Amino acid sequence: DAMVIQNPRYQVTQFGKPVTLSCSQTLNHNVMYWYQQKSSQAPKLLFHYYDKDFNNEADTPDNFQSRRPNTSFCFLDIRSPGLGDAAMYLCATRKTGGNYGYTFGSGTRLTVV
Amino acid sequence: RKEVEQDPGPFNVPEGATVAFNCTYSNSASQSFFWYRQDCRKEPKLLMSVYSSGNEDGRFTAQLNRASQYISLLIRDSKLSDSATYLCVVNSPHQAGTALIFGKGTTLSVSS
Repeated sequence: DAMVIQNPRYQVTQFGKPVTLSCSQTLNHNVMYWYQQKSSQAPKLLFHYYDKDFNNEADTPDNFQSRRPNTSFCFLDIRSPGLGDAAMYLCATRKTGGNYGYTFGSGTRLTVV
Repeated sequence: RKEVEQDPGPFNVPEGATVAFNCTYSNSASQSFFWYRQDCRKEPKLLMSVYSSGNEDGRFTAQLNRASQYISLLIRDSKLSDSATYLCVVNSPHQAGTALIFGKGTTLSVSS
């Protein structure tokens, strides 16, 4: 089935050790989003790609980067994870040009030790 | 002012109760509106879209008042399985396109 897949589901990383989260989609959606959701908080938009165009939120820390090498894949890189970066990271996709909804991946839960 | 505001609850209700959640949004240019359901440690899942004319899906009824920038969700005959966090979500113009902006969520606990 077409879907949005996030790997891994659970990621443990050491304080300060770079980590990459991945998102892939078989939907051929042109827009991809990364959200961060901390415990008991709303999902917060970090950045999104509109086709190849990267759009960063003003308050997304510089520690967070993203890459989209092709339509299907999008990566979230955290260069130096801190304890405050522990959260669920959600990838979502959408197709423009019609009344298309958003499709979410299952999320990656990041723990920083 | 937060873009999407909800009463966080928790709402603790017995089975069979009717419960209503409210939400307000600040961006008058917002285009579409949703309620998502999120279970503990899972991703949000679309419960229903919200239309200006109001819409119903089984025990769930959603209403939108664009003039007041207000959204509501009514759950009738609550079931144990309705226990979850309900997120009010607004699709707003954002940079190159649009993006979903989430409320913090309202927690519902249904007990027997």
